[in-house]
Amino acid sequence: DAKTTQPPSMDCAEGRAANLPCNHSTISGNEYVYWYRQIHSQGPQYIIHGLKNNETNEMASLIITEDRKSSTLILPHATLRDTAVYYCIVSLFPHAGGTSYGKLTFGQGTILTVHP
Amino acid sequence: DVKVTQSSRYLVKRTGEKVFLECVQDMDHENMFWYRQDPGLGLRLIYFSYDVKMKEKGDIPEGYSVSREKKERFSLILESASTNQTSMYLCASSIPGLAGEQYFGPGTRLTVT
Repeated sequence: DAKTTQPPSMDCAEGRAANLPCNHSTISGNEYVYWYRQIHSQGPQYIIHGLKNNETNEMASLIITEDRKSSTLILPHATLRDTAVYYCIVSLFPHAGGTSYGKLTFGQGTILTVHP
Repeated sequence: DVKVTQSSRYLVKRTGEKVFLECVQDMDHENMFWYRQDPGLGLRLIYFSYDVKMKEKGDIPEGYSVSREKKERFSLILESASTNQTSMYLCASSIPGLAGEQYFGPGTRLTVT
């Protein structure tokens, strides 16, 4: 799986958009970009994933550059409850099945702190 | 709502004890996973299972075994606990078609003394 690079920490004001960058310059054509977050003392939580196109769900938006070498997770209106470690992961999903398994390699992630 | 539960939030065991960590999911997911999380090392995959009675080794299976007798339950077994197995253990589940979209339990913090 391709390696990802994220800033170790970021700050954001409550109510503003939080834009979390991720570099994955060695991503291959069939690898997806996944984002998870982990709030203190909880298990990781799936946020969103994408291959080429931008994606949006009720939690966030994912913007992937045209060359796919980087992406940005956007939390449109950050709240204090969004304070967490955010992980960007590149992996061969979602269509794994049979003996292909959901191997997600979590790096150090970005600690996002949302301030009042 | 999707739910993965783990038998204990905190567990303290002695070196050499046999330890069972239980995970149950109520989503009828085929895939289940066990990870451990350590500071500076991130999450590392120990074992996974893609069906009842099926299992595959992850990246760090040494010192662990697993059991999956029922679809909803996946157990992690430390045959003889050692201090270097002190860690946060996380269970997850997913469906095969969306294997990267995993749902995690709250974790079990295991301390081996």
